[in-house]
Amino acid sequence: DGGITQSPKYLFRKEGQNVTLSCEQNLNHDAMYWYRQDPGQGLRLIYYSQIVNDFQKGDIAEGYSVSREKKESFPLTVTSAQKNPTAFYLCASRRDADTGELFFGEGSRLTVL
Amino acid sequence: QQQVKQSPQSLIVQKGGIPIINCAYENTAFDYFPWYQQFPGKGPALLIAIRPDVSEKKEGRFTISFNKSAKQFSLHIMDSQPGDSATYFCAAFAGGTSYGKLTFGQGTILTVHP
Repeated sequence: DGGITQSPKYLFRKEGQNVTLSCEQNLNHDAMYWYRQDPGQGLRLIYYSQIVNDFQKGDIAEGYSVSREKKESFPLTVTSAQKNPTAFYLCASRRDADTGELFFGEGSRLTVL
Repeated sequence: QQQVKQSPQSLIVQKGGIPIINCAYENTAFDYFPWYQQFPGKGPALLIAIRPDVSEKKEGRFTISFNKSAKQFSLHIMDSQPGDSATYFCAAFAGGTSYGKLTFGQGTILTVHP
């Protein structure tokens, strides 16, 4: 089945450690996105990529990094510079160039101990 | 100017009631307005969407009403069911100007009691 696969679903990390969240899609979509979700704050855009080898900072990019070496993959690294990394992270891809119809993965919940 | 403001933050209705969720925007470049539904522990899924040249769109029990002059749009859920209990997000998109960015509202947690 086509879709977005995020892993791991749950992740615990100690303060000061970097962690990488995986996002893979087999929908053949060009655009991919990373959002962060916190209670009462909706979905905030971290990074997005329109094509391979190109990506743009979103509204809250500080403390995060991404790469887009393949069309299917858009991993997100949460670095030790991110001051409050505990959150639910959502990856998405977009089908059409002229609509905002995003297809989301099931998310990764990161907890910093 | 890129904000989308959503209200209420939470909403409780009885089964069969008609919950209404409202959103407002400022940027007139927005040209696509989707609503997403999210169940706990899952990613959001597209529910229904509208373009500003249409004042109303209905899909099943879900209806979007759009007021272009007021820059407001709302989601109505007819004959609500306990299975509709979820978080709902409105969003706005301007494909030509924002390089593909979708701006989300803050979300509404809907609870439908049996």
